[in-house]
Amino acid sequence: QKEVEQNSGPLSVPEGAIASLNCTYSDRGSQSFFWYRQYSGKSPELIMFIYSNGDKEDGRFTAQLNKASQYVSLLIRDSQPSDSATYLCALNTGRRALTFGSGTRLQVQP
Amino acid sequence: NAGVMQNPRHLVRRRGQEARLRCSPMKGHSHVYWYRQLPEEGLKFMVYLQKENIIDESGMPKERFSAEFPKEGPSILRIQQVVRGDSAAYFCASSPGSNVFSGADSPLHFGNGTRLTVT
Repeated sequence: QKEVEQNSGPLSVPEGAIASLNCTYSDRGSQSFFWYRQYSGKSPELIMFIYSNGDKEDGRFTAQLNKASQYVSLLIRDSQPSDSATYLCALNTGRRALTFGSGTRLQVQP
Repeated sequence: NAGVMQNPRHLVRRRGQEARLRCSPMKGHSHVYWYRQLPEEGLKFMVYLQKENIIDESGMPKERFSAEFPKEGPSILRIQQVVRGDSAAYFCASSPGSNVFSGADSPLHFGNGTRLTVT
């Protein structure tokens, strides 16, 4: 079992819709969770981080964490074509570096 | 705005040659991480360094790969006798402190990567 699992996609949503990206993890000791966005050929950039169970909102983005079920999700409201990218889930498993999932490719159709 | 600087952006090497990838962390950051990304895959951790120390190299292949972060100058990821399977994007990230995950002030900051192609 991979430490961090993501559906590779592509996830296709129409412009203006809500995009829902999910991530599950295996290590119950994981404490911190991050979402990075990566455009093709570019470096990852941090979008959201979350440490506590529940929801955390920042603009059009909402991160959701459920430690009991070992999943973390990212919701993107009012999706725009510029949101089309690969979204990487990352977490701290207790090692000193982040562990990344393989990413979900999101396509927002105009 | 001196972010994480990596060079070269693109590197082409023939099989058997050596590849040297450089990374200068953000100003004020003393912790450097190297990740490798194969096409259509996520980031795989390779090594974590502080100045003059390797903290965690659990993701580094045992042979041909080495990394350093000297007291002066950039961090270097060195790949000896490259093979085609080494072709990938290599990303460097930096952070200001050892506790990367305490609060909102110290996420990893990534460089633009070095794309290594082995022919």
